[in-house]
Amino acid sequence: AQTVTQSQPEMSVQEAETVTLSCTYDTSENNYYLFWYKQPPSRQMILVIRQEAYKQQNATENRFSVNFQKAAKSFSLKISDSQLGDTAMYFCAFMKRYNTDKLIFGTGTRLQVFP
Amino acid sequence: GAGVSQSPRYKVAKRGQDVALRCDPISGHVSLFWYQQALGQGPEFLTYFQNEAQLDKSGLPSDRFFAERPEGSVSTLKIQRTQQEDSAVYLCASSLAGTSGRYEDKNIQYFGAGTRLSVL
Repeated sequence: AQTVTQSQPEMSVQEAETVTLSCTYDTSENNYYLFWYKQPPSRQMILVIRQEAYKQQNATENRFSVNFQKAAKSFSLKISDSQLGDTAMYFCAFMKRYNTDKLIFGTGTRLQVFP
Repeated sequence: GAGVSQSPRYKVAKRGQDVALRCDPISGHVSLFWYQQALGQGPEFLTYFQNEAQLDKSGLPSDRFFAERPEGSVSTLKIQRTQQEDSAVYLCASSLAGTSGRYEDKNIQYFGAGTRLSVL
């Protein structure tokens, strides 16, 4: 079975600074996807970034980038130039590839961006 | 539609009542997922449909939980004889997974805003 662990329940960062959220996972699969989702108070899960395990290059989306370490089963999210609108819960999630499968989520990290 | 739509947004039920939660996925999305999110936790998988077929219901916590998607579009999650431990946010997601053809983003799940169920 797959598990996803987020060891930081809460993080805070000042506006315009950089913050890194940690995620580790456990799986015996070789092909899979990893995701970071953002959940603001409105409750709607919004995809931030996706990484395919077979790709060695780390994914980037504007101010968001990941550090994917497959051997260490680590998948951290770096947010650069933090903005007040980044304040939200952030969830790391795992999905098997080549299978229409469910997302397995971590417990989340609450990020507060201060002005 | 433009996004995944869920209704109602909030539902308060007395213990023992039956409730029905609705999910309207993105038009053309073959796959539909239900998740349960307890307070302070990450979402947990309940069940999965591909078109009208329920292919995985391994996450349903008890036989009081029932989901259907009779025409392969709108889905309803029904909880019978609600208990206090059923209080949670119920999230629905849809994706193109299971669609023929090459789509780069086929496995991305798009979520609705959820239904917050409170059982008193």
